[in-house]
Amino acid sequence: GENVEQHPSTLSVQEGDSAVIKCTYSDSASNYFPWYKQELGKGPQLIIDIRSNVGEKKDQRIAVTLNKTAKHFSLHITETQPEDSAVYFCAATLGGAQKLVFGQGTRLTINP
Amino acid sequence: DGGITQSPKYLFRKEGQNVTLSCEQNLNHDAMYWYRQDPGQGLRLIYYSQIVNDFQKGDIAEGYSVSREKKESFPLTVTSAQKNPTAFYLCASSRDVNTEAFFGQGTRLTVV
Repeated sequence: GENVEQHPSTLSVQEGDSAVIKCTYSDSASNYFPWYKQELGKGPQLIIDIRSNVGEKKDQRIAVTLNKTAKHFSLHITETQPEDSAVYFCAATLGGAQKLVFGQGTRLTINP
Repeated sequence: DGGITQSPKYLFRKEGQNVTLSCEQNLNHDAMYWYRQDPGQGLRLIYYSQIVNDFQKGDIAEGYSVSREKKESFPLTVTSAQKNPTAFYLCASSRDVNTEAFFGQGTRLTVV
């Protein structure tokens, strides 16, 4: 069926290093790709999003890239800090069904 | 303050009882969603609504029901037919499916 696959499920990096999380999607009609950060016991919060007419978007230490041909998109966090430790989710809208589908999540741990 | 509110934060019910989770938003959003999150898992879509008086089943709708009689409200009922109801439930709203979804703080339901 139509879904979003996210890798890796866990990621541990040293403070100051970069972290990359990758997602693939199956619906070629998908046109909106948000990334969410979830802290323990809370609801997810949007950190960055990208639309299908753009290949890359950057916001300070966070960037997202989109390859529509390969149907994958990635989150890049540079100069990681302890407060970046959280669970990150990618998502994609399924164009025909008009719904937002999430990946399985990545638990990111920043080691001091 | 504008936002999306879920209540209660924690809910305990006996097996076999129906229970209704509240979700209210004052963001004037048309779209609302219910997701289920199990430990270490991603967000799975239960039901979604793109407009008042209309809703569609998500990927795991069995054992759940919803209503959308008002734009601001999208309550979720977990029925006794749901075989494994203990989980963290998240409600979200957005202007439409291709814009940022705002999440509530979640309701942790425990069925004993």
